[in-house]
Amino acid sequence: DGGITQSPKYLFRKEGQNVTLSCEQNLNHDAMYWYRQDPGQGLRLIYYSQIVNDFQKGDIAEGYSVSREKKESFPLTVTSAQKNPTAFYLCASTRTLGSYEQYFGPGTRLTVT
Amino acid sequence: RKEVEQDPGPFNVPEGATVAFNCTYSNSASQSFFWYRQDCRKEPKLLMSVYSSGNEDGRFTAQLNRASQYISLLIRDSKLSDSATYLCVVSYLNTGFQKLVFGTGTRLLVSP
Repeated sequence: DGGITQSPKYLFRKEGQNVTLSCEQNLNHDAMYWYRQDPGQGLRLIYYSQIVNDFQKGDIAEGYSVSREKKESFPLTVTSAQKNPTAFYLCASTRTLGSYEQYFGPGTRLTVT
Repeated sequence: RKEVEQDPGPFNVPEGATVAFNCTYSNSASQSFFWYRQDCRKEPKLLMSVYSSGNEDGRFTAQLNRASQYISLLIRDSKLSDSATYLCVVSYLNTGFQKLVFGTGTRLLVSP
């Protein structure tokens, strides 16, 4: 079955620690995205990547970093510079950057205390 | 002003009822429109695209009014399984890619 996997489902970290969230897809999609979702807010775009070794900042990139070394993988690092890291993080992919339908992974719920 | 605005609800309806959600968007350059469904603590999933002429998928009907920048979703004969949050989503071309802008969602609770 094709799809997007994110791990872990729940993650707990102490303030000041960097943490990396995993996102893998086997849909052979070129484009991948990271969003965060907070209560009472819509999904907000953190970073996106059109192809391997290329990525662009979204609306709220500060305090985050990404890499795209393989087509299938787009990990997100939440750094200690991110002021409010506790959130639900969603990874998505589309066949190309111009495709409309985004397929989402199951998400990672990060709690930083 | 938010780019996409929705009434957060919750809308509490009995099984079998008809319920309608509305959504307004501010960017007149928006090109495509969608409704996504999100179950509690899960990822959003595409419910349906919204076309200018309006479109129907079973019990679900979506309408678009470009002049008023307004999108609607009508659910007929509500089922318990329809309980979820419905996200209104618009897309527009932004620096070479189709950016999706998500509303905060409208929560629907269908009771027996």
